[in-house]
Amino acid sequence: AQSVTQPDIHITVSEGASLELRCNYSYGATPYLFWYVQSPGQGLQLLLKYFSGDTLVQGIKGFEAEFKRSQSSFNLRKPSVHWSDAAEYFCAVVPYSGGGADGLTFGKGTHLIIQP
Amino acid sequence: KAGVTQTPRYLIKTRGQQVTLSCSPISGHRSVSWYQQTPGQGLQFLFEYFSETQRNKGNFPGRFSGRQFSNSRSEMNVSTLELGDSALYLCASSPGQHGYTFGSGTRLTVV
Repeated sequence: AQSVTQPDIHITVSEGASLELRCNYSYGATPYLFWYVQSPGQGLQLLLKYFSGDTLVQGIKGFEAEFKRSQSSFNLRKPSVHWSDAAEYFCAVVPYSGGGADGLTFGKGTHLIIQP
Repeated sequence: KAGVTQTPRYLIKTRGQQVTLSCSPISGHRSVSWYQQTPGQGLQFLFEYFSETQRNKGNFPGRFSGRQFSNSRSEMNVSTLELGDSALYLCASSPGQHGYTFGSGTRLTVV
């Protein structure tokens, strides 16, 4: 069964500093990969996704992520965080061959705290 | 383009009751999937519907069921509610597996 690991439950970063959130997945083949953000009491907003091609993908709000097949990782980065980036971040995968029938498998999430 | 609409936003139910949640996907999206989010278990896949057919189901008891209508709107039903069913229920709409757009969710509290 596929799984997603986000090793950091909480991360605290100073405003203006760089950010990297880690995500590792376990799956037999390369799945489709996603990063979502959730503000308190809200749904999930898609930040970026990776299907194939260039392993560095750009997303919204200045985020980017790099897919590394050899490490089964899909880490999220941002060069300079803003106080509004404080939220819960989820990495998710879905099988490449599922045709859309398989649901997303999510990591447990990383809670991002921004220090002034 | 309207987003994914989930109704109601909040619900309070008593143990043993049943509840029905609704999800209207983005126009043109034929796939709707449902997720349960709790502090302890995180985000878990409930089921997925495509063109009125359930194609996949997560590891949940039979008390959790759903359906999809010809206009792609979907409902999920939970019968004989338990305290542990208290959660945020999220619906996601997709034109395929290349992208999933989530609604704001329905917060269900079972007392």
